[in-house]
Amino acid sequence: GQQVMQIPQYQHVQEGEDFTTYCNSSTTLSNIQWYKQRPGGHPVFLIQLVKSGEVKKQKRLTFQFGEAKKNSSLHITATQTTDVGTYFCAPTTTSGTYKYIFGTGTRLKVLA
Amino acid sequence: DVKVTQSSRYLVKRTGEKVFLECVQDMDHENMFWYRQDPGLGLRLIYFSYDVKMKEKGDIPEGYSVSREKKERFSLILESASTNQTSMYLCASSQGLAPGNEQFFGPGTRLTVL
Repeated sequence: GQQVMQIPQYQHVQEGEDFTTYCNSSTTLSNIQWYKQRPGGHPVFLIQLVKSGEVKKQKRLTFQFGEAKKNSSLHITATQTTDVGTYFCAPTTTSGTYKYIFGTGTRLKVLA
Repeated sequence: DVKVTQSSRYLVKRTGEKVFLECVQDMDHENMFWYRQDPGLGLRLIYFSYDVKMKEKGDIPEGYSVSREKKERFSLILESASTNQTSMYLCASSQGLAPGNEQFFGPGTRLTVL
């Protein structure tokens, strides 16, 4: 089956430190979504990026879509314990190469 | 408030049993999905449905079947459960036919096959 790699797989940070997760594709994407799954919970939609080079912000979260539309990143500034969870990207291609797939996820642990 | 519900949070079955996982959404969404989630592998699509009685295989359909007799309900069936089907199963729904639409997930069913 297809897999989209996210790096890192795990990240432990001290509260207040920054955190970044990357989602990389070998195929040009039409759009990409990001989801967050809290421990014991289910994935919840965060945002969708569509345009090349697009940058969107949600409070301390910054989402970026690469210029070539082959990668994306999620950056959290000054992490808090409420940021704990697993972050997944969900890329889509117009060709249908990627359709309803999710990245492998990055599990974030924030140490108080 | 939009809602996707799954019939059980936890389920324990024996090898060879037939297992039914039920999912219901109240958002009148066209698309419904079944994923399994395993550590380090993310979410992997088993099957999806874009309309009543319509279904398409995802990345890992082997050992599973699905049924969608009504728009709001999507069932996942394990014909003969095996230990390698022990996993978290997540149902989701989305509006419209475009694959990039937001998906709404249910709380998940943790299935253990002994």
